[in-house]
Amino acid sequence: AQSVTQLGSHVSVSEGALVLLRCNYSSSVPPYLFWYVQYPNQGLQLLLKYTTGATLVKGINGFEAEFKKSETSFHLTKPSAHMSDAAEYFCAVSEVGNEKLTFGTGTRLTIIP
Amino acid sequence: DAGVIQSPRHEVTEMGQEVTLRCKPISGHNSLFWYRQTMMRGLELLIYFNNNVPIDDSGMPEDRFSAKMPNASFSTLKIQPSEPRDSAVYFCASTIGGSQSNEQFFGPGTRLTVL
Repeated sequence: AQSVTQLGSHVSVSEGALVLLRCNYSSSVPPYLFWYVQYPNQGLQLLLKYTTGATLVKGINGFEAEFKKSETSFHLTKPSAHMSDAAEYFCAVSEVGNEKLTFGTGTRLTIIP
Repeated sequence: DAGVIQSPRHEVTEMGQEVTLRCKPISGHNSLFWYRQTMMRGLELLIYFNNNVPIDDSGMPEDRFSAKMPNASFSTLKIQPSEPRDSAVYFCASTIGGSQSNEQFFGPGTRLTVL
């Protein structure tokens, strides 16, 4: 069975500082991995995804994530935080042949001016 | 493309009333998912359909909840009778199905309040 663990339900960073949101997964087969962002009172929007190929994935709004099989991790980073990055971020995993996504519990990112 | 469309965006009802939430998936997508989001439980998958057929309804909390997908462009989630603990944001999502990524596209959600 697949599962996702997001370390830290709340993360605060200063504007301009590095953003690092952690995600570890468990999957019995090679996974598909996703990061979604949810702004207040909105649905989830895809930030980036890993399926196959290059393990460093770039997404929208300057975010990127690296798939590390040996560490079963898919951490999300952004070099310089912006106030508009304040939102909730969800990591998710699925498997080839299984359309269901398993979501983590989310990390709320706060940007300090 | 208009994206996934959900209606209503907000619903306030009284305990015991029937509630129907509606979803129109993205044209061409053949898998549809219903989720519920609460502070306590986070994001929960309730049920999903593939080619209008329910594939997995193990997340449906109880018999008060039912979902249908009469055609490829419309789905409903019904709660009868509603209870205060059903208050949540309900999301619909769709995906192409059989794709190489399983990326899901989410609607804006319906915020349900049961008094």
